[in-house]
Amino acid sequence: SAVISQKPSRDICQRGTSLTIQCQVDSQVTMMFWYRQQPGQSLTLIATANQGSEATYESGFVIDKFPISRPNLTFSTLTVSNMSPEDSSIYLCSVGVTTDTQYFGPGTRLTVL
Amino acid sequence: QQQVKQSPQSLIVQKGGISIINCAYENTAFDYFPWYQQFPGKGPALLIAIRPDVSEKKEGRFTISFNKSAKQFSLHIMDSQPGDSATYFCAAEDTGTASKLTFGTGTRLQVTL
Repeated sequence: SAVISQKPSRDICQRGTSLTIQCQVDSQVTMMFWYRQQPGQSLTLIATANQGSEATYESGFVIDKFPISRPNLTFSTLTVSNMSPEDSSIYLCSVGVTTDTQYFGPGTRLTVL
Repeated sequence: QQQVKQSPQSLIVQKGGISIINCAYENTAFDYFPWYQQFPGKGPALLIAIRPDVSEKKEGRFTISFNKSAKQFSLHIMDSQPGDSATYFCAAEDTGTASKLTFGTGTRLQVTL
């Protein structure tokens, strides 16, 4: 398995501002992903964070709203830009340790006022 | 279009009973089926997973039953305990294409004394 940490663990932000969420893994991993989990809902994949190249976004998510960086094999950031109350969610990073197994971080609980 | 359907949405089981959660999928390319357990305020934790070359996998009190022809799989929790009270998500993955997980809608399990 892998030990995954996220910062911040939670935040309350004002409408129109941006928040950058960090994801750190204790070992080098090939695959890193970002998910959104709206209150009481399931997990939706936002994008795959690719090391050294642009992230691959899922339908409904765009780079201008959710820019992602992945400078190395242990670290990634997700920025939620120009936030609105609809962005209030839990944001989770996950890592692919093998070709199938994914482990999740503890999540960042975001509230937008 | 939702590709993994999960039921029931919520489940109440008495301590010592059997909890059963069902999932059905549509995409025949899926070849990896994990179950995740999520406690409030935590990230999902990988519980158990199965590949379609076997019909059942057991780990302790947790068993996955898999029916490839029906495109269904289920999680059985034997001797359910109050500590099992959590939300359970099934998921499916086509490991041949970028290792993206598709999640079910989740089942909130409550185990009563």
